[in-house]
Amino acid sequence: SAVISQKPSRDICQRGTSLTIQCQVDSQVTMMFWYRQQPGQSLTLIATANQGSEATYESGFVIDKFPISRPNLTFSTLTVSNLSPEDSSIYLCSVGTGLEYGYTFGSGTRLTVV
Amino acid sequence: QKEVEQNSGPLSVPEGAIASLNCTYSDRGSQSFFWYRQYSGKSPELIMSIYSNGDKEDGRFTAQLNKASQYVSLLIRDSQPSDSATYLCAGASGNTPLVFGKGTRLSVIA
Repeated sequence: SAVISQKPSRDICQRGTSLTIQCQVDSQVTMMFWYRQQPGQSLTLIATANQGSEATYESGFVIDKFPISRPNLTFSTLTVSNLSPEDSSIYLCSVGTGLEYGYTFGSGTRLTVV
Repeated sequence: QKEVEQNSGPLSVPEGAIASLNCTYSDRGSQSFFWYRQYSGKSPELIMSIYSNGDKEDGRFTAQLNKASQYVSLLIRDSQPSDSATYLCAGASGNTPLVFGKGTRLSVIA
């Protein structure tokens, strides 16, 4: 299965600033997924990032707040813009590697907005 | 709206017992299902995947899928305190993103 390197692992940011999260995959993948996990909650899909096209956002998530880049088949970034305390969450990237191996996750980015 | 439902727990079982975790899903188009284990502060770790009706066993873990009833379960035999975690059920079809349930918190008591 794929191995994902995600960074930063954690950050504390001032409100009104932005944080960019990076995910590097050790193999080429068509789609990468970005999730948010708020404290004590399950994972909620933010968007699907396809190489060479605009990301597809889920209901409640907009490009201005969560711009995504996907410059190639092994790399993607998620930016969380204009931070507010409500954005304090864990953010995870994921790739699908087939039915048998399922979907692999990065180690997550724990964001705290103060 | 694709939904995956789980009992949030907590589910408490004594060490050595069988833990039974259940999940239902609303999308009949879902083809594959996954059970993830998540320790506090860590990212989800894949435990089992299943896409055919019936049982699939891997060590102490058995996943069961019943597509007619839209039901997925995970059995953990000989439960250990190290199995204490939140277990997430997720479904997908093709290369679509995973849809997660809210997770069931399992506590194995020594």
